[in-house]
Amino acid sequence: RKEVEQDPGPFNVPEGATVAFNCTYSNSASQSFFWYRQDCRKEPKLLMSVYSSGNEDGRFTAQLNRASQYISLLIRDSKLSDSATYLCVVSSNSGYALNFGKGTSLLVTP
Amino acid sequence: ETGVTQTPRHLVMGMTNKKSLKCEQHLGHNAMYWYKQSAKKPLELMFVYNFKEQTENNSVPSRFSPECPNSSHLFLHLHTLQPEDSALYLCASSQESGSDIQYFGAGTRLSVL
Repeated sequence: RKEVEQDPGPFNVPEGATVAFNCTYSNSASQSFFWYRQDCRKEPKLLMSVYSSGNEDGRFTAQLNRASQYISLLIRDSKLSDSATYLCVVSSNSGYALNFGKGTSLLVTP
Repeated sequence: ETGVTQTPRHLVMGMTNKKSLKCEQHLGHNAMYWYKQSAKKPLELMFVYNFKEQTENNSVPSRFSPECPNSSHLFLHLHTLQPEDSALYLCASSQESGSDIQYFGAGTRLSVL
């Protein structure tokens, strides 16, 4: 089983739509969880950390379900500028690094 | 700008060449990382340095040789690469290695002919 699994998509949604991504992870001992965003041919950038109680940052809401070992990202009122690849990131078994998922591609259309 | 600078941004090299990639971070972090990103593959962790000491080597071939002279600088020395080594090489840093948020440089896009 891969350490971090995501549906690669692509998710094609119209502007203003709400879209949700899920991610599952294999290491039950993981303590840190993040969503990163990567634009085409650019470096990954932190979108938001994910906390056990769930957290919100503007139009973005992240949830963590430890029992089922999955993380979600909800984007409300999608903008064209939200088009990117969203990477699910989980702390690794070794404790020295992070494991990155393959990413979920989102395309928001006019 | 994330505070992590990589040079060069693009590199084309032959299989017999020797070249080096450079990464510098201005964030006061103690951990630095090299990743490889190939098309349609997830980020692959290559090396981790924490306080200048290598703490992880993810079974990377010896034709890739990292060097960390201090906490702010990280190099990746390349020699006798193969065409399948063509990829985006990303450097990242974090306060310490482990679970901390990582900040990435813009990457070096490498093509091996």
